[in-house]
Amino acid sequence: KAGVTQTPRYLIKTRGQQVTLSCSPISGHRSVSWYQQTPGQGLQFLFEYFSETQRNKGNFPGRFSGRQFSNSRSEMNVSTLELGDSALYLCASSEFGGSYEQYFGPGTRLTVT
Amino acid sequence: GQQLNQSPQSMFIQEGEDVSMNCTSSSIFNTWLWYKQDPGEGPVLLIALYKAGELTSNGRLTAQFGITRKDSFLNISASIPSDVGIYFCAGVYNQGGKLIFGQGTELSVKP
Repeated sequence: KAGVTQTPRYLIKTRGQQVTLSCSPISGHRSVSWYQQTPGQGLQFLFEYFSETQRNKGNFPGRFSGRQFSNSRSEMNVSTLELGDSALYLCASSEFGGSYEQYFGPGTRLTVT
Repeated sequence: GQQLNQSPQSMFIQEGEDVSMNCTSSSIFNTWLWYKQDPGEGPVLLIALYKAGELTSNGRLTAQFGITRKDSFLNISASIPSDVGIYFCAGVYNQGGKLIFGQGTELSVKP
């Protein structure tokens, strides 16, 4: 089976802009979770989607949002970018909601200037 | 919020040596997982633990779910250069809750 894919792999944006990141889960996996990874804060959970519904949410401002499509693909959006949003954004998929055996994609490296 | 304390933060060892790292929490956790992350890649699941006292191996890796449910250990035997990377513990303290990650242990192996 192909692994989790994320696009784009690298992105440079300017403060105030908005960005959309995409994630395709492993075939057959219905749950997608998003994480932000920074050197200072480590890996932090953003949200989880299962069957097109947000199942769980981390402690991030409303500028961070996501959605999941009927084919389980997911997108994450960050509006009004701030310098502190520079990070590696990781997507992980699992077979069903609430499964902790998550398989990560390679991430999207976002740089905000 | 809940936090995991992972130690050590970094390790420099000789090829062939055994490695041990651990994760502790002030709260009881229901699930413990161990991941490894290589540079430029996402974390890869190594071992998942679901019951207190559970001991699980994956090749040269062995992990244990502590009896108190507040800690977990990962051991790597006979380390090799490809073991280099950052190892993360992750845990869940309530059913259906989110995964919480430790800060990671960076492992360097000298050939």
